Amino acid sequence: DAKTTQPTSMDCAEGRAANLPCNHSTISGNEYVYWYRQIHSQGPQYIIHGLKNNETNEMASLIITEDRKSSTLILPHATLRDTAVYYCIVRSTGGGADGLTFGKGTHLIIQP
Amino acid sequence: EPEVTQTPSHQVTQMGQEVILRCVPISNHLYFYWYRQILGQKVEFLVSFYNNEISEKSEIFDDQFSVERPDGSNFTLKIRSTKLEDSAMYFCASRWTSGFAYEQYFGPGTRLTVT
Repeated sequence: DAKTTQPTSMDCAEGRAANLPCNHSTISGNEYVYWYRQIHSQGPQYIIHGLKNNETNEMASLIITEDRKSSTLILPHATLRDTAVYYCIVRSTGGGADGLTFGKGTHLIIQP
Repeated sequence: EPEVTQTPSHQVTQMGQEVILRCVPISNHLYFYWYRQILGQKVEFLVSFYNNEISEKSEIFDDQFSVERPDGSNFTLKIRSTKLEDSAMYFCASRWTSGFAYEQYFGPGTRLTVT
């Protein structure tokens, strides 16, 4: 699986959009980008994933650059409850029961 | 919304004792996982389980650990002889299909404290 690089921490004001970057310059063609988050010692929570196209769901949007070497997770209107560690994970497609490899992620702090 | 549940939420045990951590995955899911997170460290994969057998395990998952799906709903992690360094949060996760998606759904965790 491709390695990812994320900033250690970020701040964002409540109500503003939080943009979390992830660098995955060695990503290969069959690898998806996944985002999970972990709110203080709770279990990680799946947010969104994508391959090439931008994706949006009820939680967030995922913007993947055309060369797929980086992506941005966007929380459109951040709330205090969005304070968490956000993990960008790159995984190949296909079956199998492989576990996820979590890095250190980005600690996003939403300021009131 | 269906969710993964884990019991107990907190387990305290003495070094050398056996512990069993329990999980009830989401009912139609096929793949099951255990992860652990030592305080202040990364979430680490331990083992995955599919079709009643281990699919993959990490280096952490040594002979002291075992997993079982004793019935159609529970998924357990057993640590035979606990060590101080086994103190951690243990998370169970499950996933529905082997398709392209890796959307794993995690439980709230069991905090294991070994004294």
